[in-house]
Amino acid sequence: AQSVSQHNHHVILSEAASLELGCNYSYGGTVNLFWYVQYPGQHLQLLLKYFSGDPLVKGIKGFEAEFIKSKFSFNLRKPSVQWSDTAEYFCAVSPGTASKLTFGTGTRLQVTL
Amino acid sequence: DTEVTQTPKHLVMGMTNKKSLKCEQHMGHRAMYWYKQKAKKPPELMFVYSYEKLSINESVPSRFSPECPNSSLLNLHLHALQPEDSALYLCASSQYLGVMNTEAFFGQGTRLTVV
Repeated sequence: AQSVSQHNHHVILSEAASLELGCNYSYGGTVNLFWYVQYPGQHLQLLLKYFSGDPLVKGIKGFEAEFIKSKFSFNLRKPSVQWSDTAEYFCAVSPGTASKLTFGTGTRLQVTL
Repeated sequence: DTEVTQTPKHLVMGMTNKKSLKCEQHMGHRAMYWYKQKAKKPPELMFVYSYEKLSINESVPSRFSPECPNSSLLNLHLHALQPEDSALYLCASSQYLGVMNTEAFFGQGTRLTVV
């Protein structure tokens, strides 16, 4: 079975700071990788996804993520965060031939003015 | 339309009540899911339906009973729940199950409180 680790549980940044959230997974086969965001009181929204091809994936709201197969990692980055990026961020993995998502424990990002 | 709609948004029920959560999508997706999300925890898969048939049951207690009456609707029937079942219940859908490169779309969830 696959598992997902997010080592940063709570991150506090000032506005305009750069962001990198770590995500590592364990699964031996082909995987689909996702980052979801959950703003306070709102539903899960897809930030970006990786299926195949270019390992550097660009998503919405200026986020990007890099898939490093050798490190089983899919870290999320943003060059300059905004106060409105305050939210919970979940990394998720599904096996290549299934749609069953396994989520990481989440990272709470707090951006201060 | 890329929405998954869940009703109700909030539900408070007693331990002897019977209630149902509803989920609807009109994207033509043939796979639908129920997830449970406890406070400050990630969503955990409960059930998966594919072409209106139950494909995956993640060892969920029988007090949760899913139903998929047609390709657009997914229900979760609740009976004799416990206070520890209080959580956000999320519905999701994807185009197919068991196909590569498929993403799931999530509804806003039903926040359930069992008293």
